[in-house]
Amino acid sequence: GAGVSQTPSNKVTEKGKYVELRCDPISGHTALYWYRQSLGQGPEFLIYFQGTGAADDSGLPNDRFFAVRPEGSVSTLKIQRTERGDSAVYLCASSSETDTQYFGPGTRLTVL
Amino acid sequence: KQEVTQIPAALSVPEGENLVLNCSFTDSAIYNLQWFRQDPGKGLTSLLLIQSSQREQTSGRLNASLDKSSGRSTLYIAASQPGDSATYLCAVRLGGGGNKLTFGTGTQLKVEL
Repeated sequence: GAGVSQTPSNKVTEKGKYVELRCDPISGHTALYWYRQSLGQGPEFLIYFQGTGAADDSGLPNDRFFAVRPEGSVSTLKIQRTERGDSAVYLCASSSETDTQYFGPGTRLTVL
Repeated sequence: KQEVTQIPAALSVPEGENLVLNCSFTDSAIYNLQWFRQDPGKGLTSLLLIQSSQREQTSGRLNASLDKSSGRSTLYIAASQPGDSATYLCAVRLGGGGNKLTFGTGTQLKVEL
């Protein structure tokens, strides 16, 4: 079956612009996670959804970051007024009751 | 706050060698520990998951051990191959109902012919 997919694979934007990053989880997975990975670092947790609701958003760095999962499947990570420091690879993962998190290929965001 | 450290940061070995990657974590109250592989420009591939009640897990040439009380895990790779070249990341999930993973910074492995 299909794995986790993320679109776009690459996004280049200018400082101050708004961006949306999309994640399609594995079908039937109720849990969905967003992480951010900077160069040379491990991924850092941003937010976790169980179904439609955000169960833990403690990793969102500030109020410019927001994520939704309105129907409990696809999720969108939204970043307002982008800054150069937001440049990173944004990873999405999903899981079922087996706990193993399956990751997508990521979206590489570059803010000029 | 949970902190995860991986050493070495980079490792280069000749093909066929057995090797050990190390992971340590500061909070021993973990729910599970997961080892991932990441190829350049790609996402993460799960290799092994060890529950907190387990001591080790094996998959093919890979063996991961967990010593929760000392806050350590090792990933053993037997008979390394050039195709094993990648960055290896360990990640812990804390107990208490949280689901987020805390990652180390990874070990970049290169297996040379």
